Amino acid sequence: QVQLQESGPGLVKPSQTLSLTCTVSGGFISSGGYYWSWIRQHPGKGLEWIGSIYYSGSTYYNPSLKSRVIISVVTSRNQFSLKLSSVTAADTAVYYCARESDTADFDYWGQGTLVTVSS
Amino acid sequence: DIQMTQSPSSLSASVGDRVTITCRASQSISSYLDWYQQKPGKAPKLLIYAASSLHSGVPSRFSGSASGTDFTLTISSLQPEDFATYYCQQGYSTPPTFGQGTKLEI
Repeated sequence: QVQLQESGPGLVKPSQTLSLTCTVSGGFISSGGYYWSWIRQHPGKGLEWIGSIYYSGSTYYNPSLKSRVIISVVTSRNQFSLKLSSVTAADTAVYYCARESDTADFDYWGQGTLVTVSS
Repeated sequence: DIQMTQSPSSLSASVGDRVTITCRASQSISSYLDWYQQKPGKAPKLLIYAASSLHSGVPSRFSGSASGTDFTLTISSLQPEDFATYYCQQGYSTPPTFGQGTKLEI
């Protein structure tokens, strides 16, 4: 069974860049057939899709965040990563990585990691 | 962006009850509608995809249906482990968007 695990700093200073990595096990990103995604959830709030990447490096992003987001993939490590620049307190959230099927449903998720933006 | 509106926002029910949660899309999304269950401190879990298909390992008491831009998640007989927050999500157009959630309480 596919498993995903987020890793990265839990505290980021305002104006800096948030960086997270998702490590996939139980399957290979390079096998294709799926996009690999980042989704966040503000404390006590709903879910917001950030963006997705294919093993080839093809990406698509939420227009509301596109100017600040970069998602990349390293297939040799079976990992994909998120960079969100110029963060503010409004970027404080639990960040999840997930696998996205061809019908745009997110069928496997990481456990999530809380990132707090604070000086 | 396509707006997804869930109702009700919260719901009180008892073990054994039949429960229905509704999600309305702001425009046509065909059958690109999924349902998730989230428990406190945990990641969402996929229950239903493509409006009515049960994800692997999900109990058969969960079902989904569609009528135009209205979608329904039904739990036929509530079990104690079903008390959670439920989200719908459309995958018809970018960006994928989620409903605001329905909290199912005892």
